[in-house]
Amino acid sequence: GESVGLHLPTLSVQEGDNSIINCAYSNSASDYFIWYKQESGKGPQFIIDIRSNMDKRQGQRVTVLLNKTVKHLSLQIAATQPGDSAVYFCAEASGNTPLVFGKGTRLSVIA
Amino acid sequence: DAGVIQSPRHEVTEMGQEVTLRCKPISGHNSLFWYRQTMMRGLELLIYFNNNVPIDDSGMPEDRFSAKMPNASFSTLKIQPSEPRDSAVYFCASSQHGPTQETQYFGPGTRLLVL
Repeated sequence: GESVGLHLPTLSVQEGDNSIINCAYSNSASDYFIWYKQESGKGPQFIIDIRSNMDKRQGQRVTVLLNKTVKHLSLQIAATQPGDSAVYFCAEASGNTPLVFGKGTRLSVIA
Repeated sequence: DAGVIQSPRHEVTEMGQEVTLRCKPISGHNSLFWYRQTMMRGLELLIYFNNNVPIDDSGMPEDRFSAKMPNASFSTLKIQPSEPRDSAVYFCASSQHGPTQETQYFGPGTRLLVL
């Protein structure tokens, strides 16, 4: 729908497999990172966050990895389910800026 | 908690008309954000407030756009006059403390169509 960009990267995953969604950020001063999930017709929903003093954080079925050396963030979803189908956004922030959102990645789960 | 509340959920109007979008942030949250989302440009931050004071409106596209936050529980985004290129989904979000390094919680959005 109109919530995604024309050239949105798409990841297709079999139900039950693990998903890895990647994000490259640009600001080396960023020290706070968030992953959001946006389902069709809804607003972005918070999934998990991580601060720059950590390199890994786990939630329920999700793990965020942060590599500050190469400015890379990833979201891992274990045992992907049809309900995980959505657009996923990473966002970054530094001490004096609000969140800056990436373009998003569409995850499509194949049943 | 009811979460961020936005109204209307859908708005269809004609070019030249005034449009007012409304937002009620999560109770106790001190920062409020207005975003616009389109296929071409993705999610754009328009303006944000902290303690009801506008902090940065550099994302507001034109003078036709204005936003107010008269109190801690209510904000409006107004477009006057509206144009077809304003058609988009407009989101309001709030965060508990300051506008930086904080989780933002989004409302369901207002889908605006300007004919």
